[in-house]
Amino acid sequence: SQKIEQNSEALNIQEGKTATLTCNYTNYSPAYLQWYRQDPGRGPVFLLLIRENEKEKRKERLKVTFDTTLKQSLFHITASQPADSATYLCALVTGGGNKLTFGTGTQLKVEL
Amino acid sequence: GAGVSQSPSNKVTEKGKDVELRCDPISGHTALYWYRQSLGQGLEFLIYFQGNSAPDKSGLPSDRFSAERTGGSVSTLTIQRTQQEDSAVYLCASSLNPYSYQETQYFGPGTRLLVL
Repeated sequence: SQKIEQNSEALNIQEGKTATLTCNYTNYSPAYLQWYRQDPGRGPVFLLLIRENEKEKRKERLKVTFDTTLKQSLFHITASQPADSATYLCALVTGGGNKLTFGTGTQLKVEL
Repeated sequence: GAGVSQSPSNKVTEKGKDVELRCDPISGHTALYWYRQSLGQGLEFLIYFQGNSAPDKSGLPSDRFSAERTGGSVSTLTIQRTQQEDSAVYLCASSLNPYSYQETQYFGPGTRLLVL
């Protein structure tokens, strides 16, 4: 069956460190992958998109990698801040019209 | 303009009752999606509307669930004879051009449904 897995355990890191979140998928061959941020009580907010032929994408303190051989994407936040604390979701396009299938998300907590 | 809005923000209902959830997408966005997010679960796709095309209903969990989109804008998700397992956050999203792989989805704040 098709599956998208993210670390279900919360990730706690110290301010200033780099946070690395993992997204693994099976039985998909997505053309691209997206990362979203979700704060409590709010809908997800788009962060980054990476195509299958792109190894790496950066936006300010964010970096995403996409390894289609390993079927894995890594999401990095450098110089993390308490304001980065949230749940981060990866999503694959799995159907026409950009229908997205989401992972369960990883909760990140950045501590002072 | 304004983002995606949803109403009500919270809904408590009794098992067996029908509920209607409303979504107002961003003006001009042609595509509209409904998702469901249960506690500890990822977002689950329910239904997708694009322009005047027939909706993609492949994610609806049962025939108690239905959705309409009137005039290519506002959408209503209806759950008939609600069950306790329907309790979840129902999220609506819209996008401008769903045929562009670079297009992102913009989400509303969700409706939190609790079925007692």
